Amino acid sequence: GAVVSQHPSWVICKSGTSVKIECRSLDFQATTMFWYRQFPKQSLMLMATSNEGSKATYEQGVEKDKFLINHASLTLSTLTVTSAHPEDSSFYICSARPRIRDRNTNYGYTFGSGTRLTVV
Amino acid sequence: RKEVEQDPGPFNVPEGATVAFNCTYSNSASQSFFWYRQDCRKEPKLLMSVYSSGNEDGRFTAQLNRASQYISLLIRDSKLSDSATYLCVVNPRGGSQGNLIFGKGTKLSVKP
Repeated sequence: GAVVSQHPSWVICKSGTSVKIECRSLDFQATTMFWYRQFPKQSLMLMATSNEGSKATYEQGVEKDKFLINHASLTLSTLTVTSAHPEDSSFYICSARPRIRDRNTNYGYTFGSGTRLTVV
Repeated sequence: RKEVEQDPGPFNVPEGATVAFNCTYSNSASQSFFWYRQDCRKEPKLLMSVYSSGNEDGRFTAQLNRASQYISLLIRDSKLSDSATYLCVVNPRGGSQGNLIFGKGTKLSVKP
């Protein structure tokens, strides 16, 4: 089945530093990747949608200059949290959607294992 | 009104119990519906898709009522391993278009 590798699985960083999270599709090509954030006891909230080779689309309230997304290839998308602050501490998860010919009957949403970010 | 609303839970049940989760969604044009399971500090994993005719997978039965914009999940003969948070998920644009809208989740704890 479709596998998405996400790393790091957890990271602790100092306030003001930047953190890069990678999401890689291992056995399929992902034309679209979604980045979600989940605070404790809250639902997953979509932050942005990235399409390979074009700019990401950010949800309302998500600062595009703070959360930089790059989707330069069909197998790799990255999310960089710039100048991280304690309020950015959260669980970040990517979700990839295979190209049309690879999609299975549940429409192929595959999730990475998530990155738990703690900013101190 | 939130896009996807679920029972707040938590549900604490003994092994072998039958438990039902409910979910409502606000976008009447939504096309695809799912139940996901999320274990503590893990990513969500697809449990089952939900079809208009209702569908069953072993001990799990999902139902959809489009008129009421209501989705349900029934777990029979619950096991300790069923303990998790169950997420009601809607794809408002259907098929492989668009992103997934997640409910807040209902936590289930199955006790021996």
